[in-house]
Amino acid sequence: QVQLQESGPGLVKPSQTLSLTCTVSGGSISSGGYYWSWIRQHPGKGLEWIGYIYHSGSTHYNPSLKSRVTISVDTSKNQFSLKLSSVTAADTAVYYCAEYSGNSFDYWGQGTLVTVSS
Amino acid sequence: QSVLTQPPSASGTPGQRVTISCSGSSSNIGSNYVYWYQQLPGTAPKLLIYRNNQRPSGVPDRFSGSKSGTSASLAISGLRSEDEADYYCATWDDSLSGPVFGGGTKLTVL
Repeated sequence: QVQLQESGPGLVKPSQTLSLTCTVSGGSISSGGYYWSWIRQHPGKGLEWIGYIYHSGSTHYNPSLKSRVTISVDTSKNQFSLKLSSVTAADTAVYYCAEYSGNSFDYWGQGTLVTVSS
Repeated sequence: QSVLTQPPSASGTPGQRVTISCSGSSSNIGSNYVYWYQQLPGTAPKLLIYRNNQRPSGVPDRFSGSKSGTSASLAISGLRSEDEADYYCATWDDSLSGPVFGGGTKLTVL
């Protein structure tokens, strides 16, 4: 069974770049067939898809965040990463990484809270 | 504002049947499969229903999904205390060209 684990700073200053990494175990990103995704959840709110990447490196982002988001993949480490630039307090959220089949988000990480504050 | 509209809350007593609605448009629910996720307190969401009405292995048959036109519903029968959670609908949106979620429904078991 695929397992995902987010890692990265829990506190980011306003205007800086949020950086998170998701480590995948129990499956290989390189095997293809899945899209490696980032989703966030603002405190007490619903889910927002941020974007995803395929093992080839092709990406697809939520238009509302596209100008600030970069998702990359490192198949040698079986990891993929999220960078969100110019953050504000509105970017404070729990960030999840997930395996997306193209239809459903089948496996999720446990989530990591990122707070934007000076 | 979420692309898909869900009631913010629902409730029922043990043993009851409750339904949660999810409303969208022709560019999302109207032309794509609907998925439902259950998020227990303090945990990540878990896939509950896929392709409108299919249950992944391990999901009890008390949970069922349906879709009609631009709306979908999740039904939970024989309500149990452990069903208390947030429930989210999701689908693909052709206009956004990406997955979208409902705002979530908090289910309380009285």
